[in-house]
Amino acid sequence: DVKVTQSSRYLVKRTGEKVFLECVQDMDHENMFWYRQDPGLGLRLIYFSYDVKMKEKGDIPEGYSVSREKKERFSLILESASTNQTSMYLCASSLGGATEAFFGQGTRLTVV
Amino acid sequence: QKEVEQNSGPLSVPEGAIASLNCTYSDRGSQSFFWYRQYSGKSPELIMFIYSNGDKEDGRFTAQLNKASQYVSLLIRDSQPSDSATYLCAGVNYGGSQGNLIFGKGTKLSVKP
Repeated sequence: DVKVTQSSRYLVKRTGEKVFLECVQDMDHENMFWYRQDPGLGLRLIYFSYDVKMKEKGDIPEGYSVSREKKERFSLILESASTNQTSMYLCASSLGGATEAFFGQGTRLTVV
Repeated sequence: QKEVEQNSGPLSVPEGAIASLNCTYSDRGSQSFFWYRQYSGKSPELIMFIYSNGDKEDGRFTAQLNKASQYVSLLIRDSQPSDSATYLCAGVNYGGSQGNLIFGKGTKLSVKP
C-alpha cells in the first residue's frame, strides 16, 4: 500500500513564525502535491513537484514556499505565518500528474 | 480558469436507495476523472477513476462519463449509512509542464437508516 505520512496531525503556531510542514511518501512517486482545504472552498492546490528540486506553483502559492531535496520528501514552508493560513493542509503523491493521488492524513494548522 | 463543479448538497437518501452524485467540468481536454470519498476529519481516499466514455462499475459503485456533455457522475447502489461522507470529483489539469488534479468542492451525502 502507498503510504503518505505528514509529520504532524495538529499544529498551533504564532503569527509571524516560520512553519515547516513535512511529508514523506514510500512508493517512489514522481509527483508530490500540497493542498489546503477550507470549508466551502474545497481542496486548493498550493504547490506541486514533479521531480527532485523541481516545483510549480498551484492556484494559491502566495505566502508559501516548498522544498524537495529528496524524491520521497516534500516540505511546505510558511515563511511568516498569518491567521488566514489557519487551515487543513493535505499532502499527496502520485506516479504521474494525471494519475490517482494518494493523500496523507492531513495537518490541521492553527495560527494564533 | 479550469473548473470542476459539484452540487454541494447535502444530498440525503434513505438506506438501500441509489445515491446519484454529479460533476461537470470546464476543460474539454480533460480525459481522466477520479472520485474520492472523504469522511469527516479524514483525508480523501480514491473510490474510482474513469477514462472512457460510458459506465464503469465496481461493486456498488458506478462511474459514468460523458465527454461530449462534460459530465461525470457516481452512482451508489444500496446506499448504507457508512457511505455518509463528502464525495469529491477530480479532473486532470494539463496546464504547465505536468498534469495535476483539480478538485470540485465536494457533495456531502447523508444516508439515513
